[in-house]
Amino acid sequence: SQQGEEDPQALSIQEGENATMNCSYKTSINNLQWYRQNSGRGLVHLILIRSNEREKHSGRLRVTLDTSKKSSSLLITASRAADTASYFCATARQGGSEKLVFGKGTKLTVNP
Amino acid sequence: DAGVIQSPRHEVTEMGQEVTLRCKPISGHNSLFWYRQTMMRGLELLIYFNNNVPIDDSGMPEDRFSAKMPNASFSTLKIQPSEPRDSAVYFCASSAGQTSGNTIYFGEGSWLTVV
Repeated sequence: SQQGEEDPQALSIQEGENATMNCSYKTSINNLQWYRQNSGRGLVHLILIRSNEREKHSGRLRVTLDTSKKSSSLLITASRAADTASYFCATARQGGSEKLVFGKGTKLTVNP
Repeated sequence: DAGVIQSPRHEVTEMGQEVTLRCKPISGHNSLFWYRQTMMRGLELLIYFNNNVPIDDSGMPEDRFSAKMPNASFSTLKIQPSEPRDSAVYFCASSAGQTSGNTIYFGEGSWLTVV
């Protein structure tokens, strides 16, 4: 079964606004990662948060992790048209497996 | 350093034909993954290798699919015979493993259409 489930499936905002995407998962994890996919391209790693971390920042990205609720959120601040892409969360299960399981993604459209 | 390199980028083939997708992982990475992406099912892990050895092939759909990794710099995913429902984007990815927190680096994908 799918480990990560992103919400919403699609999000459309205006340039300059913030975009928030959520991810829920089912089992205990070692870490949770967010990836971005531009149309017709491969996925690109954005940020990783470990199970013992609660918040992490990278540039305009802010990720939170709540292991008690088995959920994570990705916030993109001051969005730009170039942020238009699909965003995926991926989880690595506790136990040391390298296997990353991806959700179906949130398609973000940032309108200029 | 070059990223993960996949070939072909696009392939259109007739049902029943054999399809071979190729991948060159990032040099020094010891794990290699094959994923399939479709609108309906999202991104599915088909198989992954560690140090050239298949570790988990539970995602391989059926016997028509096979994957090999004869050395650290090359892997193939073969579909024989191909069917229209195999149409998808196939991604190869590699990772340096636990030392990188399992961060995976993806190729640009092989877009397969079976008609």
